[in-house]
Amino acid sequence: EADIYQTPRYLVIGTGKKITLECSQTMGHDKMYWYQQDPGMELHLIHYSYGVNSTEKGDLSSESTVSRIRTEHFPLTLESARPSHTSQYLCASSLGWGNQPQHFGDGTRLSIL
Amino acid sequence: DQQVKQNSPSLSVQEGRISILNCDYTNSMFDYFLWYKKYPAEGPTFLISISSIKDKNEDGRFTVFLNKSAKHLSLHIVPSQPGDSAVYFCAAKSEGTDKLIFGTGTRLQVFP
Repeated sequence: EADIYQTPRYLVIGTGKKITLECSQTMGHDKMYWYQQDPGMELHLIHYSYGVNSTEKGDLSSESTVSRIRTEHFPLTLESARPSHTSQYLCASSLGWGNQPQHFGDGTRLSIL
Repeated sequence: DQQVKQNSPSLSVQEGRISILNCDYTNSMFDYFLWYKKYPAEGPTFLISISSIKDKNEDGRFTVFLNKSAKHLSLHIVPSQPGDSAVYFCAAKSEGTDKLIFGTGTRLQVFP
């Protein structure tokens, strides 16, 4: 069973606020990912990391930023939240070699008023 | 342009019967395919995967079939149980990358 944790689970906040979504995994996985999903739609990769100090942008353009200072921690930050950022954000991790499944956290549902 | 397509948004199956969920893809460079199950308010849970060098992979009640010539993937659940009711996502990746491309999901309802 995958051990990957996201906080908060739900966040309702006003426009212009700085937001950090937390993601931690206890499996020692090198690779971590952030996806964005709107209701009824597919998941879109917005950021990924292959290890400490490695971060890359995904296929879907996002105004968020990420950091990877520790293997187990991959936070996502929005400097100034807007209503267009309202979505579900899912964090995942995987082993660093071969074809490996990604294991997901339960997500953060973000609503910007 | 959607590279992974799940054309059936929903499927309803009686308990004990077979559930067949379908997925089509357009990118011939995909070499690894996965199925995830998602309950409301939870993240996707990995179910089963298949490499492009195989045409079938089985794990308990779940079997995934890959038809590379047709660019078609299917997930069979036998027998279906009420606890299988969830949204099922098909995903794929190309060789040399870890980026998963997801379909839009199929909502499966298993009724008694």
